[in-house]
Amino acid sequence: SQQGEEDPQALSIQEGENATMNCSYKTSINNLQWYRQNSGRGLVHLILIRSNEREKHSGRLRVTLDTSKKSSSLLITASRAADTASYFCASGYSTLTFGKGTMLLVSP
Amino acid sequence: NAGVTQTPKFQVLKTGQSMTLQCAQDMNHEYMSWYRQDPGMGLRLIHYSVGAGITDQGEVPNGYNVSRSTTEDFPLRLLSAAPSQTSVYFCASSYSEESSYNEQFFGPGTRLTVL
Repeated sequence: SQQGEEDPQALSIQEGENATMNCSYKTSINNLQWYRQNSGRGLVHLILIRSNEREKHSGRLRVTLDTSKKSSSLLITASRAADTASYFCASGYSTLTFGKGTMLLVSP
Repeated sequence: NAGVTQTPKFQVLKTGQSMTLQCAQDMNHEYMSWYRQDPGMGLRLIHYSVGAGITDQGEVPNGYNVSRSTTEDFPLRLLSAAPSQTSVYFCASSYSEESSYNEQFFGPGTRLTVL
């Protein structure tokens, strides 16, 4: 069964705009991770936020975690065409379980 | 470092055939895993290993076997291929024996079609 569920399933924006993706999960977690997948490629790790953290930044990425609501969000600021990809959240206590992903399209 | 490598990149099988998907990593990672990715389903865990000689089942293990004789290699065997096993298969590894603690490094994937 899917641990994380991303929302929206698809998102289309213009270059320079911000993109926000949300993830909800079901059970307790050690941490939550976000991955990116370019079409036809393997997944690439973006950021990890631990269960005792509320917010984390990495370059243009900002991740928040609300363990009381079992939810996380990924914000990409000043998006670029190269950000076009699918984004997955992954969480779990021992093994990771991935959500179904959000497809982000950034148009020039 | 080559990271995580997978072979082959593409494979077409007939129903009932068997084959082995190869996965290797050169990062001395303890944890290795196999996922399958189907349209609209995200990634689902097939089998994983927390070290040489130790394997365990994930969410969708039926029809697949694994073994871990060395730290570097984690092959996935399809015993008798079925059309339902048509998918893209990803191998991943991470430093910690519990994958949730560390980022996972993914291979490029094997695209398998079973006719």
